[in-house]
Amino acid sequence: QVTLKESGPVLVKPAETLTLTCTVAGFSLNNGRMGVSWIRQSPGKALEWLAHIFSNDEKSYSTSLKNRLTISRDTSKSQVVLTMTNMDPVDTATYYCVRILKRYDSSGHSYYYLDVWGKGTTVTVSS
Amino acid sequence: SSELTQDPAVSVALGQTVRITCQGDSLRSYYASWYQQKPGQAPTLVIYGTDNRPSGIPDRFSGSSSGNTASLTITGAQAEDEADYYCYSRDTNDNDLIFGGGTKVTVL
Repeated sequence: QVTLKESGPVLVKPAETLTLTCTVAGFSLNNGRMGVSWIRQSPGKALEWLAHIFSNDEKSYSTSLKNRLTISRDTSKSQVVLTMTNMDPVDTATYYCVRILKRYDSSGHSYYYLDVWGKGTTVTVSS
Repeated sequence: SSELTQDPAVSVALGQTVRITCQGDSLRSYYASWYQQKPGQAPTLVIYGTDNRPSGIPDRFSGSSSGNTASLTITGAQAEDEADYYCYSRDTNDNDLIFGGGTKVTVL
């Protein structure tokens, strides 16, 4: 059974750095067609993709947040870590860790989808 | 960058059919996937690669795409289908992955 579990602080202060850890089970972070993505959702708002990482160390970041984000993986621990610097109250959200799959269509174009989600962890930014 | 636009809300009578649309320039080039989110829960995948259903998803859910619009259709909507639905695809900048704003489906 594939599972992903998020862990990290519930409360951070403005300007601090947030570190979230995703611990996965049931699949390998060395599988080339599978990666881990971070998605967040502010209260009452839509989902927002933040970043992802694959086994070949392919990393991608949201253009609007890339200066604040770092994603990394530790295959020995089956963990993916996301750090977000300079936290602000607008970053208050539920952060989800999600398995992301990369596939290719008949034309050779890649596409992605998110097939297994963690339950999410709620982070509040407040002084 | 581009956006994916969804109607904020739709309603459907129990047992009837509802189509949820997602519009965006990137959909001319990239496949969409769809996610169902019930209150207080994490989203779940219902359609990927435009028209593929993961195992365990009822066949009343189907997907399609034409031009700049992707659609999710629920044929014979059930009370348990009441939820928010989000489309997801790749941005025209070829980097970002983006979500639509979500559609709240109410089953009457």
